Amino acid sequence: DVKVTQSSRYLVKRTGEKVFLECVQDMDHENMFWYRQDPGLGLRLIYFSYDVKMKEKGDIPEGYSVSREKKERFSLILESASTNQTSMYLCASTFPGQGYEQYFGPGTRLTVT
Amino acid sequence: DAKTTQPPSMDCAEGRAANLPCNHSTISGNEYVYWYRQIHSQGPQYIIHGLKNNETNEMASLIITEDRKSSTLILPHATLRDTAVYYCIVRSSGTYKYIFGTGTRLKVLA
Repeated sequence: DVKVTQSSRYLVKRTGEKVFLECVQDMDHENMFWYRQDPGLGLRLIYFSYDVKMKEKGDIPEGYSVSREKKERFSLILESASTNQTSMYLCASTFPGQGYEQYFGPGTRLTVT
Repeated sequence: DAKTTQPPSMDCAEGRAANLPCNHSTISGNEYVYWYRQIHSQGPQYIIHGLKNNETNEMASLIITEDRKSSTLILPHATLRDTAVYYCIVRSSGTYKYIFGTGTRLKVLA
């Protein structure tokens, strides 16, 4: 079974803190994604990585950065957390090209107070 | 980018077939249709995908119309555990982006 794991299921941080969300996949997938999910807005893509050290901005990258030093690990960084970044964060991975499904992690529910 | 539209909610009696429609009228010839579901507070779970032909696996069947402008996900014998939000997704051709629709909240009734 493909496994995509995320470092925390629930996280509470204070405004202004630096926050790291970690994602690890065990299927040697080239592509990895970070989404956030908010009620009424669906899943929105924050960042995407298609290889080690390679990244591209998604639809809502402001306030976030990412790091991919190893193929299996993709980190999302909130440089200075704000209350509007309270959300469910989902990581996913897949092989490149059409016809390959994305595998999602269980999600991290982040609350910024 | 091809977009998808789905009804916001549906009910289905336990043991009956659940038929979830999706419209993707602007889909391009090489864009796949994927279906995922999301049970409350969990990550989306892959169900099935297809390009042109109908597909079946142990979870569901996917029926794609000949003009590829719409599709239907069929859960042949719905159970209470199938209660979830179902997303119809198109992978945007030539990009890495998966276009998520609004999803259909399926409620399976006992």
